[in-house]
Amino acid sequence: QSVLTQPPSASGTPGQRVTVSCSGSSSNIGSNTVNWYQQLPGTAPKLLIYSDIHRPSGVPDRFSGSKSGTSASLAISGLQSEDEADYYCATWDDSLNGQVFGGGTKLTVL
Amino acid sequence: QVQLQESVPGLVKPSETLSLTCTVSSGSISRSSYSWGWIRQPPGKGLEWIGTISYSGSTQYNPSLRSRLTMSVDASNDQFSLRLRSVTAADTAVYYCARHWRVAAAGSSWFDPWGQGTLVTVSS
Repeated sequence: QSVLTQPPSASGTPGQRVTVSCSGSSSNIGSNTVNWYQQLPGTAPKLLIYSDIHRPSGVPDRFSGSKSGTSASLAISGLQSEDEADYYCATWDDSLNGQVFGGGTKLTVL
Repeated sequence: QVQLQESVPGLVKPSETLSLTCTVSSGSISRSSYSWGWIRQPPGKGLEWIGTISYSGSTQYNPSLRSRLTMSVDASNDQFSLRLRSVTAADTAVYYCARHWRVAAAGSSWFDPWGQGTLVTVSS
């Protein structure tokens, strides 16, 4: 049971816009910024979004993050086949005094 | 560009100690603004934070692992390490090391970059 709740799966067709949600509480998302990681099959996770909305250099602007209260979302516009991956949200939890991850969302491009 | 590489312990027997080392390229480990972390992923499952160590050696551990865990840093060799005692099959996972960015005033922390990961199997 993960501290952060994500839907286990999501899907979309090429060109479509999809969103992945991440729900937490006042001790984690409500108090700290959220990051998103993309894990392509058989590879290490890669930072996609940090501090709620910021993209590292090299991440396409098709990816965007947002946060409101104790929930956060990752949006992917202009969906491409190479976006098929697992996506994880993460943040710091002040009560646990540690980093927590969501359970991950498997994105399928139909 | 910083690169991280985990050692390859492979197979560990139940009740023994799992030892991993992460080597950081480019002489980055002693810079004061950086911390370094370990994350693991059991086969087919999600990510779990194990712990974080600063360049000076101060540590923060996952409460669920704290009683079995020790992390250390060797700045002279640009390495940091993990020791997990009394392992069981539940500790079988891919173990990743990563740089842990911390901006405490903003409540921000994230992992980037990550090592490629190393599979540790606990089995007799």
